[in-house]
Amino acid sequence: DSGVTQTPKHLITATGQRVTLRCSPRSGDLSVYWYQQSLDQGLQFLIQYYNGEERAKGNILERFSAQQFPDLHSELNLSSLELGDSALYFCASTRQEHTGELFFGEGSRLTVL
Amino acid sequence: GQQVMQIPQYQHVQEGEDFTTYCNSSTTLSNIQWYKQRPGGHPVFLIQLVKSGEVKKQKRLTFQFGEAKKNSSLHITATQTTDVGTYFCAGRPGSSNTGKLIFGQGTTLQVKP
Repeated sequence: DSGVTQTPKHLITATGQRVTLRCSPRSGDLSVYWYQQSLDQGLQFLIQYYNGEERAKGNILERFSAQQFPDLHSELNLSSLELGDSALYFCASTRQEHTGELFFGEGSRLTVL
Repeated sequence: GQQVMQIPQYQHVQEGEDFTTYCNSSTTLSNIQWYKQRPGGHPVFLIQLVKSGEVKKQKRLTFQFGEAKKNSSLHITATQTTDVGTYFCAGRPGSSNTGKLIFGQGTTLQVKP
């Protein structure tokens, strides 16, 4: 158990819909990362937050948005969903901003039909 | 954009054979990390390398960071069936610290008993 909690574990929805994925980082971790992993693909970096502020951005689509709340949990919002958005979405947390190991959650598997 | 390339994509070995995966970045990395993802699981941190030319060992695993801090390798001696999984390198681009952590595409290792 990494200490990072992601909900929901599985989500099935239709094209055009909007979903919210939630992540609770490990106790004491200030930095949260979001990654997308499609079938047989690597981990695509989406976005990083540190203590409530956006710190680094990857190839995140405009239809996607995220935020980190004062209690340090984070949410990834995916809207106008397309079939190609079907993937495993991982959240990871770490104590420091620029270094240190990432602790990954179990992931949220999104299926868009 | 910044890219981290990893080869090979797949590797099948007989138990007891050695295995190596290589990671190359288009830009200098401030540090590099290695993760292992078992089938159906989430990435788990293995190690972080920070210094140019650094070599670290963990039992049968040897990790190297290139002199130019643009490439890295993971070598497993005498593979075992428990080594099965996908190995990812992940680098932080730039000479200065950054929160962005870019993953390679991963090398999936299959070990035949």
